Amino acid sequence: DSGVTQTPKHLITATGQRVTLRCSPRSGDLSVYWYQQSLDQGLQFLIQYYNGEERAKGNILERFSAQQFPDLHSELNLSSLELGDSALYFCASEVVAGMLNTEAFFGQGTRLTVV
Amino acid sequence: AQSVAQPEDQVNVAEGNPLTVKCTYSVSGNPYLFWYVQYPNRGLQFLLKYITGDNLVKGSYGFEAEFNKSQTSFHLKKPSALVSDSALYFCAVREGGSYIPTFGRGTSLIVHP
Repeated sequence: DSGVTQTPKHLITATGQRVTLRCSPRSGDLSVYWYQQSLDQGLQFLIQYYNGEERAKGNILERFSAQQFPDLHSELNLSSLELGDSALYFCASEVVAGMLNTEAFFGQGTRLTVV
Repeated sequence: AQSVAQPEDQVNVAEGNPLTVKCTYSVSGNPYLFWYVQYPNRGLQFLLKYITGDNLVKGSYGFEAEFNKSQTSFHLKKPSALVSDSALYFCAVREGGSYIPTFGRGTSLIVHP
């Protein structure tokens, strides 16, 4: 168990809908990353938050947004969902941001299926 | 920009044989390299990392990785494969200036009994 908790584990929704994925980082970790894993794209970095503030952005669509709350949990909001958004979404956390020699710890992911 | 390549989508090996999962990287500065493993329906688990020092890094579950600066490679190895090692393996890199971990596309390791 990595200590990173993601809910829900599975989500099935229709095209055009909006969903929210939740991540609770390891106790004491201030930095949260979101990644999307799909068969054709591999593991793609979406966005990073550190202590409540957006720190870095990757290949995140405008239909997607995220935030990190004062208790350090994070939510990833996906709207106007398309079939191509079906993927496994991972959250990872680490103590601080910008420490090159530390490893991030991953949650078990949320499998999103858009039908 | 940093990047990682895992040239093999799948590696097949017989149980008891040595295994190698390949990874090459591209960075402009000093690389910080990581290996993760993903079992079915699970998140990524950290295996080992290279920061500096000895080019041979030992990690969890008997895995080790060899850093080769001249070949810009960081191959994952294990002397004797187990069926339970069958999983998806990811190589990742970080470098100064772009500290976001960049992952390879993953290599599926299948160990046959």
